Amino acid sequence: AQSVTQLGSHVSVSEGALVLLRCNYSSSVPPYLFWYVQYPNQGLQLLLKYTTGATLVKGINGFEAEFKKSETSFHLTKPSAHMSDAAEYFCAVRDSGYSTLTFGKGTMLLVSP
Amino acid sequence: ETGVTQSPTHLIKTRGQQVTLRCSSQSGHNTVSWYQQALGQGPQFIFQYYREEENGRGNFPPRFSGLQFPNYSSELNVNALELDDSALYLCASSLFPGTSGGAFWGDQETQYFGPGTRLLVL
Repeated sequence: AQSVTQLGSHVSVSEGALVLLRCNYSSSVPPYLFWYVQYPNQGLQLLLKYTTGATLVKGINGFEAEFKKSETSFHLTKPSAHMSDAAEYFCAVRDSGYSTLTFGKGTMLLVSP
Repeated sequence: ETGVTQSPTHLIKTRGQQVTLRCSSQSGHNTVSWYQQALGQGPQFIFQYYREEENGRGNFPPRFSGLQFPNYSSELNVNALELDDSALYLCASSLFPGTSGGAFWGDQETQYFGPGTRLLVL
């Protein structure tokens, strides 16, 4: 069975600092990996995804993530945090042979001035 | 291109009642998935509909049921509501590219989410 672990339910950074949100997964087959962002009282917005090919994936709003098979990780980074990045971030995995997403519990990103 | 829409946005019900939530898929998409997001948790898969048939189900009891219509819109029905059913219900649409001897989900299939329906059961 697939599973996703997001380390840290809350991450606090200062505006302009590096953002690093951690995601580790388990999957019995090559996974497809996703990061979604959820702003308060809204649905989920796709930030980026990894399916096949290049392991460094660039997404919207300056975010990127790197798929590391040996570490079963897909950490999300952004070089410089902006106040508007404050939101909850969810990592999700989908086995390549199936269509359902398994989500982590989420990480709330707090950005201070 | 229209995105995924859901109605209503908020709903209050009492224990034991029944509720129907609605979802219109993104233009060009043919598959709808439903998720339940309890407070402070990640979304959990309820079920998925493709070609008007259930195409996978998570660990939810039979009182959670659904429908998909020819225009690919979908409904989620919950009978005999319980307090623990209070949550944000998310609908996601995607495009299943087709089958070749069996179901295969390629990298084209990305799920796009609606804004959700927040259900409160009292």
